[in-house]
Amino acid sequence: DTGVSQDPRHKITKRGQNVTFRCDPISEHNRLYWYRQTLGQGPEFLTYFQNEAQLEKSRLLSDRFSAERPKGSFSTLEIQRTEQGDSAMYLCASSLDRGRWNEQFFGPGTRLTVL
Amino acid sequence: GDSVTQMEGPVTLSEEAFLTINCTYTATGYPSLFWYVQYPGEGLQLLLKATKADDKGSNKGFEATYRKETTSFHLEKGSVQVSDSAVYFCALRGGPGTASKLTFGTGTRLQVTL
Repeated sequence: DTGVSQDPRHKITKRGQNVTFRCDPISEHNRLYWYRQTLGQGPEFLTYFQNEAQLEKSRLLSDRFSAERPKGSFSTLEIQRTEQGDSAMYLCASSLDRGRWNEQFFGPGTRLTVL
Repeated sequence: GDSVTQMEGPVTLSEEAFLTINCTYTATGYPSLFWYVQYPGEGLQLLLKATKADDKGSNKGFEATYRKETTSFHLEKGSVQVSDSAVYFCALRGGPGTASKLTFGTGTRLQVTL
């Protein structure tokens, strides 16, 4: 399967703990995006990378959140000192930048539950 | 900023009924418009797209026309099937020179019964 993969699929943690999620994009896709989806809402943009450069961050991405894409391939999203409000589905998407139209392919998501 | 408003669900229809899910948007410039679908237990999938005014996107019997004058991109299907039961998201991507992110609506759950 050559789609976007995310690991883990589910994570349960206690408030105050740190968590890290991984996203493996479709190979050769140079853009990678992180979104967050809470229950009953649509996905909300968090950040995106072009190769290894982080080009935009949403104001939703507080100081407790950090994302990296060190070699322009996989990416990690870390949440420090988790809060109950961080409970959500974290989605990763990737695309191949080729001008105006570049379809974003989504992974299955990581569901985070903060107790 | 950019925003997408879509009709609230859930929408419950009998098989073979006609479907319309309304979507309107606010954006600067000339956005591209999308419908994504999320089947139970699966990730988001692109259903159809339109990249300029008056374009009609279509796929799997679904259609949507980019109407700049009414800032709308309503999703339609002439005859729904039980297998169409899913959550449908309208989304936009800003035009050239804007950020690459997608802005989504809140989603509309469709339930099709026999």
